[in-house]
Amino acid sequence: EPEVTQTPSHQVTQMGQEVILRCVPISNHLYFYWYRQILGQKVEFLVSFYNNEISEKSEIFDDQFSVERPDGSNFTLKIRSTKLEDSAMYFCASSEGVGRGYTEAFFGQGTRLTVV
Amino acid sequence: GENVEQHPSTLSVQEGDSAVIKCTYSDSASNYFPWYKQELGKGPQLIIDIRSNVGEKKDQRIAVTLNKTAKHFSLHITETQPEDSAVYFCAASKKGSARQLTFGSGTQLTVLP
Repeated sequence: EPEVTQTPSHQVTQMGQEVILRCVPISNHLYFYWYRQILGQKVEFLVSFYNNEISEKSEIFDDQFSVERPDGSNFTLKIRSTKLEDSAMYFCASSEGVGRGYTEAFFGQGTRLTVV
Repeated sequence: GENVEQHPSTLSVQEGDSAVIKCTYSDSASNYFPWYKQELGKGPQLIIDIRSNVGEKKDQRIAVTLNKTAKHFSLHITETQPEDSAVYFCAASKKGSARQLTFGSGTQLTVLP
């Protein structure tokens, strides 16, 4: 069964460092998303991406965040200068489309980011 | 913005009993309501979803009901089994799809054998 794959499963980084979280969405999917979950809090929407551009983003997704689909298979989330409060589980998801019948979002297993 | 509240935060039921998890949402423009199951070490997995033009949807032992007037929706699991034990999340979106979902806080369901 096709699945969304995220690497690494756990990343530890020093405050102020840049991190790149990687995701391989399901191959025929067109919409890609990043969500995060700070420990003990709700899953929060960060950004959605379609046709090589951001289609929606939340207030959390400020200038320190960026997304890219560098090679047609990977989808990355970059955090430019990490802060302690960026520590969270980051989930990548993808969906085939957004029309009726194509709405199911498939989530990856997550990358736990720890900023020290 | 949208706010989704989910209750209860934990739920224990005996195997074979039914489980009900409830969510309320604040934005009347929300039109897509998925439910996700998350097992330990895995990402959320869609188990059922409902759109605002439907009041109820059923898939084998799982059903979801939606009351647009009251702005609440519920997940019903009948004949629970130990493998139903997991964290369940409700979510809502105004985009009619998984774009820009607002999640509830999750319910830890434990099915006791």
